[in-house]
Amino acid sequence: NAGVTQTPKFQVLKTGQSMTLQCAQDMNHEYMSWYRQDPGMGLRLIHYSVGAGITDQGEVPNGYNVSRSTTEDFPLRLLSAAPSQTSVYFCASRAGGNIQLFFGSGTQLSVL
Amino acid sequence: AQSVTQLGSHVSVSEGALVLLRCNYSSSVPPYLFWYVQYPNQGLQLLLKYTSAATLVKGINGFEAEFKKSETSFHLTKPSAHMSDAAEYFCAVSDSTNAGKSTFGDGTTLTVKP
Repeated sequence: NAGVTQTPKFQVLKTGQSMTLQCAQDMNHEYMSWYRQDPGMGLRLIHYSVGAGITDQGEVPNGYNVSRSTTEDFPLRLLSAAPSQTSVYFCASRAGGNIQLFFGSGTQLSVL
Repeated sequence: AQSVTQLGSHVSVSEGALVLLRCNYSSSVPPYLFWYVQYPNQGLQLLLKYTSAATLVKGINGFEAEFKKSETSFHLTKPSAHMSDAAEYFCAVSDSTNAGKSTFGDGTTLTVKP
């Protein structure tokens, strides 16, 4: 079982560049979300989706866009990267009737 | 609104000693509570969860947690620490409203000394 797959695992960007972090799940989960993890700050919710075509903002959405065209995929777009976006990004999903999150292995992003 | 407070960003114990990681929560509705573990360079894995059934919840790797409504606490314990328990631990709260979003604590890094 692949579960939640994130690519790339590592990425270095220059300030102002744009990129997309990919997330795919093969569990037919309705709910998908993106978190960022910073030292001493736990995980903070960026955006989430409760189903295809439906997205909403989390706690720290500024500078990020998402879309959910299929149940399986939930990409996170950085529009114009800033050093403050240097972080580890985790994608997570769960089934509609379940509350447990399943996490990907993360993407470590550095913005210079 | 929901929130989680983990007391102690770093906890150090000797191998074989009791592990106690503290978590207090705030929720306006009956909560679901979780402990997740993160090993270096990996994603988070579920240790255990509380979903309004038994207040004492047993998880993987010998961990357990007790839900205490009066204290709004959900502390994680393990009777005897093993070197392999060294990791970062996150407490999280979710509820049936608000799209079931989970809110995480800041994490506690557990170090196990030989």
